[in-house]
Amino acid sequence: AQTVTQSQPEMSVQEAETVTLSCTYDTSESDYYLFWYKQPPSRQMILVIRQEAYKQQNATENRFSVNFQKAAKSFSLKISDSQLGDAAMYFCAYRRGTSGTYKYIFGTGTRLKVLA
Amino acid sequence: SQTIHQWPATLVQPVGSPLSLECTVEGTSNPNLYWYRQAAGRGLQLLFYSVGIGQISSEVPQNLSASRPQDRQFILSSKKLLLSDSGFYLCAWSRDRGSQPQHFGDGTRLSIL
Repeated sequence: AQTVTQSQPEMSVQEAETVTLSCTYDTSESDYYLFWYKQPPSRQMILVIRQEAYKQQNATENRFSVNFQKAAKSFSLKISDSQLGDAAMYFCAYRRGTSGTYKYIFGTGTRLKVLA
Repeated sequence: SQTIHQWPATLVQPVGSPLSLECTVEGTSNPNLYWYRQAAGRGLQLLFYSVGIGQISSEVPQNLSASRPQDRQFILSSKKLLLSDSGFYLCAWSRDRGSQPQHFGDGTRLSIL
């Protein structure tokens, strides 16, 4: 069974600095997709970025980028120029690419604090 | 564009009372639908998912049930609520392709007294 591990329950970053959130996963599949979600205090789940396993190029969305290491099964999220609005819980998620697979596997989350 | 609506936003119920949370999706057809529960400061626990009308898969044995009476409607129910049913409930939808992310509703905060 696939698992997703976020080993950092909490992280802090100074405003305008860079922080990296870790995510590792365990799978025997070669076709899969990875996602990072942000959950601010309002508790709405917001998609931050996604990565296709077959793509070697790391995904980037403005200040958010990933470091995808397929062989190491690692999918870390880098937030550059951190802003106060980045303070939230961040969840890493995995989904198999196999047709008929419906479930997303979530990590336990990392709480990010941004210090002014 | 697609939108997902979930209501109510907040609910306070006594122990032993029934429950009905509703979720609807607009702007897409035949979505995969999901119910999650999230304890305070914790991760997401998948409760149910549905890939079509009347098709419900249960992930965790519990006091809750789900139904999908229409293509874009997903309902979470209970006949008798327990204290342990308190939590934050999230509905989500996705397309039936692995590359597609889940899209979440705003959630329902359920408190059992």
